Amino acid sequence: LAKTTQPISMDSYEGQEVNITCSHNNIATNDYITWYQQFPSQGPRFIIQGYKTKVTNEVASLFIPADRKSSTLSLPRVSLSDTAVYYCLLWGYGGSQGNLIFGKGTKLSVKP
Amino acid sequence: DADVTQTPRNRITKTGKRIMLECSQTKGHDRMYWYRQDPGLGLRLIYYSFDVKDINKGEISDGYSVSRQAQAKFSLSLESAIPNQTALYFCATSDSQRSNTEAFFGQGTRLTVV
Repeated sequence: LAKTTQPISMDSYEGQEVNITCSHNNIATNDYITWYQQFPSQGPRFIIQGYKTKVTNEVASLFIPADRKSSTLSLPRVSLSDTAVYYCLLWGYGGSQGNLIFGKGTKLSVKP
Repeated sequence: DADVTQTPRNRITKTGKRIMLECSQTKGHDRMYWYRQDPGLGLRLIYYSFDVKDINKGEISDGYSVSRQAQAKFSLSLESAIPNQTALYFCATSDSQRSNTEAFFGQGTRLTVV
């Protein structure tokens, strides 16, 4: 069963900020929200992870509201090389960690 | 050298044949996973293993079996391959001891069943 819901696709232009929202209404107390990026014919690559509020690293920011039922991945000033599929998933710290379910992801297309 | 290595990278096999895809890792992680990817369907979990003595079915385990020969090795077998098992297969690892629950993926094996 899908635990997260995200848009199938998004379009953007170079230099814009892109926000991809993910819904996870049934998030469990020990679930972390994790985002991965996948380029064609390559394995997914970890981008960012958070539990609540805001997390920022050199690649992206992750915004999580207090109820944790949704999250938003923010990519600042995207370039053509950011064209990829982005996956939002819940990963429980502890016993449920092994059940790493990816879903279909959001295909981001960045245009010049 | 890659931390997570899959062999072969590409394979064409005939319907009904038995085939094994292998995955080895040098990261020292205890958890390993097998996924398949089909166009438009994202990644689907086939099997996962928490350690050498622990094997768990994922979302789509029918038609597949796995073997965790050692902590560093996790093999996926198709006992009797069929055309709808044509897909891109990925192996992944993770470390249960880290608070950052990051999974590391291999380069993928492209399997074609004719």
